[in-house]
Amino acid sequence: SQLAEENPWALSVHEGESVTVNCSYKTSITALQWYRQKSGEGPAQLILIRSNEREKRNGRLRATLDTSSQSSSLSITATRCEDTAVYFCAARNMGYKLTFGTGTSLLVDP
Amino acid sequence: ETAVFQTPNYHVTQVGNEVSFNCKQTLGHDTMYWYKQDSKKLLKIMFSYNNKQLIVNETVPRRFSPQSSDKAHLNLRIKSVEPEDSAVYLCASSHDRVQDTQYFGPGTRLLVL
Repeated sequence: SQLAEENPWALSVHEGESVTVNCSYKTSITALQWYRQKSGEGPAQLILIRSNEREKRNGRLRATLDTSSQSSSLSITATRCEDTAVYFCAARNMGYKLTFGTGTSLLVDP
Repeated sequence: ETAVFQTPNYHVTQVGNEVSFNCKQTLGHDTMYWYKQDSKKLLKIMFSYNNKQLIVNETVPRRFSPQSSDKAHLNLRIKSVEPEDSAVYLCASSHDRVQDTQYFGPGTRLLVL
């Protein structure tokens, strides 16, 4: 089974709505990262939240981390069509290895 | 422009052929990586180099071999490709092996017929 896993597998929202992607992981972490991958591009980091942090914001993005339940969430407010992408969480363990989940596909309709 | 560059964008080949992918980063980073992304979007680390030295070598078939001439370049050679090698190969770099943020290139899409 995956060391990191996002859910749901896919989401579809209308422009302007808010959306949340969840992540569960199965390893001790130093940090949890959220990446976004648009079609034809490589992943790009959105937010990095360290194991001693509970929340991090970056513009319309908000990430939370709960190390006791080994879970994280990424919320996007006021979604735009350009937010359409695959969203990954990536867990960084003590040995600096980054393990990605399989991603949540988000479609934002105009 | 500072970024991670990969060539080629696409490559179609037949089973048994040898292929080579190139990656260059102009970010001044010490650490570079190769990932394989399958058709289900799963990203798996294959190799990691720090200052031209191999530091991570996940369980990958022996036909895969990384090559680093300097810390800005990390190439990937696949000797005798097989159908299951069809995937997107992503190169990434980070400031060093401790730094968390990895910067990815656009990927090389390989199709093995």
